[in-house]
Amino acid sequence: NAGVMQNPRHLVRRRGQEARLRCSPVKGHSHVYWYRQLPEEGLKFMVYLQKENIIDESGMPKERFSAEFPKEGPSILRIQQVVRGDSAAYFCASSPISGGEVLGYTFGSGTRLTVV
Amino acid sequence: SQQGEEDPQALSIQEGENATMNCSYKTSINNLQWYRQNSGRGLVHLILIRSNEREKHSGRLRVTLDTSKKSSSLLITASRAADTASYFCATAILTGGGNKLTFGTGTQLKVEL
Repeated sequence: NAGVMQNPRHLVRRRGQEARLRCSPVKGHSHVYWYRQLPEEGLKFMVYLQKENIIDESGMPKERFSAEFPKEGPSILRIQQVVRGDSAAYFCASSPISGGEVLGYTFGSGTRLTVV
Repeated sequence: SQQGEEDPQALSIQEGENATMNCSYKTSINNLQWYRQNSGRGLVHLILIRSNEREKHSGRLRVTLDTSKKSSSLLITASRAADTASYFCATAILTGGGNKLTFGTGTQLKVEL
């Protein structure tokens, strides 16, 4: 039973390029969350998605960032026109349907984005 | 500001000793969870305690929750070098926009031989 799969593990982009991060949740999990982590800091919530729906994007910058979780395929976090400040580790997590309760998340190993 | 803040920020102990980490939060919660993160890796869920529970055990882990003080503690007994990691508390709050976890700033634990 595979866990959350994120790819790529490391991504280097030049300023102005696009970064596309992929996340495949645990099979059967319908909730996907994206978090960003800067060195020596905690995780900052970005966006919460269910299949084909964005439920909460309150932590995501209004410009350049977008996320989707299509009916088929992985969830994608897309950063357009990257800047040096976007350099961070991006973690995806998934959880099952909880009947209204937030249960434990399963995290992926993260994508480390470096903007040069 | 962070919903959850851990204390201390860093903790260094000898193998075999107990490690205690604290977490404070600001708003009412549905549950509180603790996670561990090894350097360069994703977070691993350790334990969940609900708002109507006061104490929970899992192996060498003991978690307490005091909703009146809005605080929780994680105790790791008989620590091992392999327990060296960062530990985060996360609070679960049901909001109009759905449910999500808000993470604290973490405690870096170092267990020395």
